[in-house]
Amino acid sequence: KQEVTQIPAALSVPEGENLVLNCSFTDSAIYNLQWFRQDPGKGLTSLLLIQSSQREQTSGRLNASLDKSSGRSTLYIAASQPGDSATYLCAVSTSGTYKYIFGTGTRLKVLA
Amino acid sequence: NAGVTQTPKFQVLKTGQSMTLQCAQDMNHEYMSWYRQDPGMGLRLIHYSVGAGITDQGEVPNGYNVSRSTTEDFPLRLLSAAPSQTSVYFCASSSSQADQPQHFGDGTRLSIL
Repeated sequence: KQEVTQIPAALSVPEGENLVLNCSFTDSAIYNLQWFRQDPGKGLTSLLLIQSSQREQTSGRLNASLDKSSGRSTLYIAASQPGDSATYLCAVSTSGTYKYIFGTGTRLKVLA
Repeated sequence: NAGVTQTPKFQVLKTGQSMTLQCAQDMNHEYMSWYRQDPGMGLRLIHYSVGAGITDQGEVPNGYNVSRSTTEDFPLRLLSAAPSQTSVYFCASSSSQADQPQHFGDGTRLSIL
């Protein structure tokens, strides 16, 4: 059974710092992996999606990498800003884009 | 472009009552899913649909029913509400293409007394 773990559960950093969020999964036979952002009281917004055949994806200050053999993905945030404060969720699909297993998230606080 | 719309946003029920959570998407997505989010447990899949007339169970389906009569709508029914179903419920939709993300609604916050 696929399990997704995110460590740490919470992280507090000063503005401007580069940071890495970690996601690990137990079954390397994945279809794709998504990183989401969730603001308090809101829904999830997809940040980056990495397909099984890809190693990384980039969008602006965000870079996500995927290493299936080790069951790991990282989300790199460059030059963090207070507006980046949110919960970041990692989700893995083993079959199609309709069925994801989610980690419990990392709650990020960027201090001004 | 509305995306995924969930109604209601908040609801309080008494134990044993039934209700339907509505979800509609306007992106012509084939796939739709329902998740519940509980503190410390992340999102868990309740039911999903890969097209009109086709539904299947996710990880935590007990106590919930779904139907998909149109591409746009995917309602979630609580048959007899229990306090354990107090949660935030999210509906999501996606296309069948592997490089396309899931789109989420803003959620329904449900309390069962």
